[in-house]
Amino acid sequence: GAVVSQHPSWVICKSGTSVKIECRSLDFQATTMFWYRQFPKQSLMLMATSNEGSKATYEQGVEKDKFLINHASLTLSTLTVTSAHPEDSSFYICSAIWGRGDTQYFGPGTRLTVL
Amino acid sequence: TQLLEQSPQFLSIQEGENLTVYCNSSSVFSSLQWYRQEPGEGPVLLVTVVTGGEVKKLKRLTFQFGDARKDSSLHITAAQPGDTGLYLCAGAPSDSSYKLIFGSGTRLLVRP
Repeated sequence: GAVVSQHPSWVICKSGTSVKIECRSLDFQATTMFWYRQFPKQSLMLMATSNEGSKATYEQGVEKDKFLINHASLTLSTLTVTSAHPEDSSFYICSAIWGRGDTQYFGPGTRLTVL
Repeated sequence: TQLLEQSPQFLSIQEGENLTVYCNSSSVFSSLQWYRQEPGEGPVLLVTVVTGGEVKKLKRLTFQFGDARKDSSLHITAAQPGDTGLYLCAGAPSDSSYKLIFGSGTRLLVRP
């Protein structure tokens, strides 16, 4: 149980375009989802916390107008990277929690490459 | 801001050796989790420790949570090449925000 999927697993786009990444909890309802980015050989950095039906809470230094998060249902959150630039190239990972637990279940990640 | 310092950052050992990874903070965490991540994949949860002084064993892996719930260690006995990967500790702050604070990670390479 507690499976989280992400789509797509990798994407290559041109600079200036927007890219949407989906995060789904497959066998549970996620009260909260989190979005992280990870640069090569580095740890995960939290970008934002997303609760179903409400606005996402962004970490300091993360541009909310650039990284649009929509959490429309208890099983789906989306991250849209708007007007992507090469410096946005990274590994984006989502996670989800159920209820009031501390355990986060992670998706497999999406590798974004902006040319 | 709560920080988790992980050490060492990189470890290269021979198959069969033992190793310990440390995760330290000046802050108290309500729980601490250890993850292992393979290249190009998301982190996979290994264990969650909640109680100060708690010790959990997962086959050749032993996890310990400090008495004050500020630090943790991961000890691997008789490491195998299959243990190679990025090990991440992550603490849940005591403010019940459900966020996780990740350590900087330890990249382990076990040579056959």
